[in-house]
Amino acid sequence: GAVVSQHPSRVICKSGTSVKIECRSLDFQATTMFWYRQFPKQSLMLMATSNEGSKATYEQGVEKDKFLINHASLTLSTLTVTSAHPEDSSFYICSARRLEGLGIDTQYFGPGTRLTVL
Amino acid sequence: KNQVEQSPQSLIILEGKNCTLQCNYTVSPFSNLRWYKQDTGRGPVSLTIMTFSENTKSNGRYTATLDADTKQSSLHITASQLSDSASYICVVSGSSASKIIFGSGTRLSIRP
Repeated sequence: GAVVSQHPSRVICKSGTSVKIECRSLDFQATTMFWYRQFPKQSLMLMATSNEGSKATYEQGVEKDKFLINHASLTLSTLTVTSAHPEDSSFYICSARRLEGLGIDTQYFGPGTRLTVL
Repeated sequence: KNQVEQSPQSLIILEGKNCTLQCNYTVSPFSNLRWYKQDTGRGPVSLTIMTFSENTKSNGRYTATLDADTKQSSLHITASQLSDSASYICVVSGSSASKIIFGSGTRLSIRP
């Protein structure tokens, strides 16, 4: 199956710093990638849709100036949490969309990044 | 409104027993339905995917069913193992948009 990687897997930072998370599709090209966050024992919440070569589309309530998304290539999208605060501590998961044929597309998820802001 | 509802919210069963998880959806027009398994602290992993014309799909001890008329799906786990402890997420795609609707998941715990 398709592989999506995330880096780093864990990050601990001080309040006020910025953190960049990378999402890579390792064996396929993804024109669309998605960023989610997940709080303990809750379901995934879509933050934004990242399209290669264009601006990301953010879900309602997600601050685009705080969560900067860049999708500069067909295999890489980055999420930068700017001026992170303790309430930004969460599990961030990316996914990459691959067209499987017959009109079906599948999201392949990365392993997630655990962000802890002190 | 496009929705995906899963039940039960959580489930505890003994190792070796079978269980069935439910997913009801109102997404229309419908393209496909997937079941994902998410271990704690990991990203979701696809178990099965079914299109409108498919009513059952198996992946080892996991068997998913789909009734497109009643807009219901189930995931049956046979002879459960401790490693089956995870959240199981039902995800439905509509055919007219790239947005995918996630269910809130069922948290399954297998006890020895």
